[in-house]
Amino acid sequence: SQQGEEDPQALSIQEGENATMNCSYKTSINNLQWYRQNSGRGLVHLILIRSNEREKHSGRLRVTLDTSKKSSSLLITASRAADTASYFCATGYQKVTFGIGTKLQVIP
Amino acid sequence: ETGVTQTPRHLVMGMTNKKSLKCEQHLGHNAMYWYKQSAKKPLELMFVYNFKEQTENNSVPSRFSPECPNSSHLFLHLHTLQPEDSALYLCASSDRDRGVSYEQYFGPGTRLTVT
Repeated sequence: SQQGEEDPQALSIQEGENATMNCSYKTSINNLQWYRQNSGRGLVHLILIRSNEREKHSGRLRVTLDTSKKSSSLLITASRAADTASYFCATGYQKVTFGIGTKLQVIP
Repeated sequence: ETGVTQTPRHLVMGMTNKKSLKCEQHLGHNAMYWYKQSAKKPLELMFVYNFKEQTENNSVPSRFSPECPNSSHLFLHLHTLQPEDSALYLCASSDRDRGVSYEQYFGPGTRLTVT
């Protein structure tokens, strides 16, 4: 069964706004990872948060993890047109699984 | 560049052909993965190799045959494919310890079209 599921499936915002994407998962995890994919290209790793961490920052990215709710969120602040891409969460314990992704469009 | 290369980048093959996809990682990782990405479907994990040993095979049809001669190289041999096998095939590598995978580094993918 699918482990990570992103929500929403699509998001369109104006440049400069913040974008929030959510991920839910079903079973225990050791860590949760977020990736970005530009159209037709390979995925690029953005950030990894361990199960004993609640929040992590990397530049304009902020990831939170709530293991009691089995959910994570990715916040991109002050979005740019170059952030337009699909974003995926993945769980990395035993069986690595990805969701269908959130397609983010940032309008200049 | 992520340190993971894939060749070829594009491949068109007939249903009776035999071809191979190649992946190479220069990152010193101990695990390598094959994924299939089709439109509007989640990324599907096909195979996992850890220290050259296959540790996962997610019910992949036998027309896909992986080979991992060493920790840096991974192949996917293809034969008698179907049109529904047309997809983007992605290779990735990572460190993997006791079943836990860490950051995965992906290659650019091979866009496969089966005619």
